[in-house]
Amino acid sequence: DQQVKQNSPSLSVQEGRISILNCDYTNSMFDYFLWYKKYPAEGPTFLISISSIKDKNEDGRFTVFLNKSAKHLSLHIVPSQPGDSAVYFCAASLQGAQKLVFGQGTRLTINP
Amino acid sequence: ETGVTQSPTHLIKTRGQQVTLRCSSQSGHNTVSWYQQALGQGPQFIFQYYREEENGRGNFPPRFSGLQFPNYSSELNVNALELDDSALYLCASSLMTGDYEQYFGPGTRLTVT
Repeated sequence: DQQVKQNSPSLSVQEGRISILNCDYTNSMFDYFLWYKKYPAEGPTFLISISSIKDKNEDGRFTVFLNKSAKHLSLHIVPSQPGDSAVYFCAASLQGAQKLVFGQGTRLTINP
Repeated sequence: ETGVTQSPTHLIKTRGQQVTLRCSSQSGHNTVSWYQQALGQGPQFIFQYYREEENGRGNFPPRFSGLQFPNYSSELNVNALELDDSALYLCASSLMTGDYEQYFGPGTRLTVT
């Protein structure tokens, strides 16, 4: 049962343009969502998060949007830079739960 | 501030053998979680340790076990290795249990032949 889904295995974006990564979830009890970035041979690095009581959180070039009615969140990167090329995972958690539930990841490639 | 470290980096074992993976949590973090990441998939939660006790477990059989030590470092032990256990094993630490944000180490790549 895949509770968190990232339906796009890969995404290619031109440098300077906007990158939009999408994530859908099925469990309406999730109350916190996170995005992680992973480079080869490294562990996932925390990028940005959002509580279910908000619909937007911004940190520099990164903005996460949450649509609870659609059970959908997205990560916007503006402007995209070559160093953003990585695999991006969205993850969700339940209050009091110990685990993060991850999506399958989306490989983002930024082209010069 | 020291990040999460894991050892070894890579490991090759034979089916049926046992393996121990090690993790040192980030300075000041008392909670350690372990995840298995199969090729092309997202990390899957194995279990979490808090104050040396197991504090939550995912859908993994009992041959996956762990320990946490007083200095908050941790071990993941896998007995009777199967081919499907081949994966990247990630350790993550958090400041305390219930913290949503977890900080990951680089992982140990386990290959079972």
